[in-house]
Amino acid sequence: KQEVTQIPAALSVPEGENLVLNCSFTDSAIYNLQWFRQDPGKGLTSLLLIQSSQREQTSGRLNASLDKSSGRSTLYIAASQPGDSATYLCAVVTNSGYALNFGKGTSLLVTP
Amino acid sequence: DAGVIQSPRHEVTEMGQEVTLRCKPISGHNSLFWYRQTMMRGLELLIYFNNNVPIDDSGMPEDRFSAKMPNASFSTLKIQPSEPRDSAVYFCASSPMGDTQYFGPGTRLTVL
Repeated sequence: KQEVTQIPAALSVPEGENLVLNCSFTDSAIYNLQWFRQDPGKGLTSLLLIQSSQREQTSGRLNASLDKSSGRSTLYIAASQPGDSATYLCAVVTNSGYALNFGKGTSLLVTP
Repeated sequence: DAGVIQSPRHEVTEMGQEVTLRCKPISGHNSLFWYRQTMMRGLELLIYFNNNVPIDDSGMPEDRFSAKMPNASFSTLKIQPSEPRDSAVYFCASSPMGDTQYFGPGTRLTVL
């Protein structure tokens, strides 16, 4: 069974800092990996999707990388803002499946 | 497009009552997923439909849970009878095959 781990569980940084969120998965045979953002009491918003053949994806201040062989992905957030405060979830779809296997998330707080 | 629509947004019921959650996927998406989110277990897949056909219901906790997708634009998740341990946020998501999953806002269920 695919296990997805996210470190750290919580992170607090001052506004303007660059930061990295980490995600690791146990089964490297993945179809794709997705990063989501979840605001309190809200649904999930897809941030970036990386196909298994890709190494990274970028959207604005966000950059996600994928290293399948080591079972790792990172989400880099540049010049963090208070509006970035949310829980960030990493999820993978394995080659044998279709469902997203989620990590428990990293709760990010960006202070003004 | 309005995105994935779920109703109700909040449901409070008493133990033993029947609960029906509803989902309207994004038009044109042929995959539909029901997930459940709890503090203890995070996000977990309950059931997956492809082209209105249930493909994998191995995540459905027990016989008290059932899901249907009578057509491409509507799905229900029913719990009968409900129990306090069913209290959670239930998400519906849809996607074009093998692509990004788009989540609805969720239904927060409280069973007293």
